[in-house]
Amino acid sequence: QSVLTQPPSVSGAPGQRVTISCTGTNSNIGTGYDVHWYQQLPGTAPKYVIYGNTYRPSGVPDRFSGSKSGASASLVITGLQAEDEADYYCQSYDSSLSAYVFGAGTKVTVL
Amino acid sequence: QVQLVESGGGMVQPGRSLRLSCAASGFSFNSYAMHWVRQAPGKGLEWLASISYEGSQKVYADSVKGQFTISRDNAKNTLSLQMNNLRPEDTAVYYCARGSGWRRPEENYFDNWGQGSLVTVSS
Repeated sequence: QSVLTQPPSVSGAPGQRVTISCTGTNSNIGTGYDVHWYQQLPGTAPKYVIYGNTYRPSGVPDRFSGSKSGASASLVITGLQAEDEADYYCQSYDSSLSAYVFGAGTKVTVL
Repeated sequence: QVQLVESGGGMVQPGRSLRLSCAASGFSFNSYAMHWVRQAPGKGLEWLASISYEGSQKVYADSVKGQFTISRDNAKNTLSLQMNNLRPEDTAVYYCARGSGWRRPEENYFDNWGQGSLVTVSS
């Protein structure tokens, strides 16, 4: 069982908006630690798409955005494209575990 | 460009040991904390261990504490993971990843990843 809770899957048609939630506790996201998001395409290593809750690295399309409120964070993909079909993971730090923690991942399917 | 290349994976019997290596290039290796993350088949990501830029500080996940040892050789730009007493549940793809250096260590994310090395523990 992951420390951070994500929905197993979300889906949307091309051009639609999808939101992936990441819910933590008062020992991780709720205590103020940043949330980062990774995209993992099939058979490849993860790649970060959002860091520090809201920052998007260069090269990542601006249809990806992140937010954080309280003990939860969200990744939003606006204008979903076929190449966005992948697994997405949130990551933070847990002070009780003294460990970096990941969500279980969310599979995004483009219909 | 940053490159991380893992090696040393393979099939091993339960109870045996294996040592993974990660060759780094394209950046000042001795300036960055480094990490190991694994992914069991069909499962999510699990952080395993971190080592500070100069190697003096090491942190482990509870799941591998006392079983795995992280180390680095800054002269050779190499990160290692010594895995002892391997169990079938250690079967996974093992990734080395660079720490981002973002804010304080607890805020770090993993900004570059290797391609992964598959470790299979089976009799």
